[in-house]
Amino acid sequence: EPEVTQTPSHQVTQMGQEVILRCVPISNHLYFYWYRQILGQKVEFLVSFYNNEISEKSEIFDDQFSVERPDGSNFTLKIRSTKLEDSAMYFCASSSQPIVSSGNTIYFGEGSWLTVV
Amino acid sequence: AQSVTQLDSQVPVFEEAPVELRCNYSSSVSVYLFWYVQYPNQGLQLLLKYLSGSTLVKGINGFEAEFNKSQTSFHLRKPSVHISDTAEYFCAVSGRNAGNMLTFGGGTRLMVKP
Repeated sequence: EPEVTQTPSHQVTQMGQEVILRCVPISNHLYFYWYRQILGQKVEFLVSFYNNEISEKSEIFDDQFSVERPDGSNFTLKIRSTKLEDSAMYFCASSSQPIVSSGNTIYFGEGSWLTVV
Repeated sequence: AQSVTQLDSQVPVFEEAPVELRCNYSSSVSVYLFWYVQYPNQGLQLLLKYLSGSTLVKGINGFEAEFNKSQTSFHLRKPSVHISDTAEYFCAVSGRNAGNMLTFGGGTRLMVKP
């Protein structure tokens, strides 16, 4: 069973510090996503990425956030100058096709739990 | 824009009993519908999805869901649950013109008791 892997599984950082969350999507997938879940709240869409550029982003994904595919395997989420309210579980996901395709399945990683203190 | 409401935050049930987890959505356009499961300390796993065609969709682990357009619902059911079904279940929707964004409900924690 192919899987999306994320590192670190848990990170504690001080407010104001920069954080990079890393993801290795499934190898033949072309669409990449980040979602987050603040404790006790809904899973929220952050951004989708295709063909080396952002294809969609939510209101949450402001200038504090950026994504990058630095090489052929990794997909990263950078959070600059973290705030207390950035504490959440961040999920990476990937798919071989867009959602609108009947053959698509989005695969999620196990998540990276970020705690900002 | 789309929204999803899962009416029950927790559903306790005894082993081998049937269960229904409720999901209602709102959307101004046609939608695709999904159920995901999150076992403790694991990521989100797709249980089943409705894209088109038959409104009764069968998924993994004996789960099924029925799309009801008139009631804007996509309730998840299983006729007989196991202890191993204890997990958080998320309903999600994607509008057909909403690109690749999934909108999730708040989740329902299914607690199966012996």
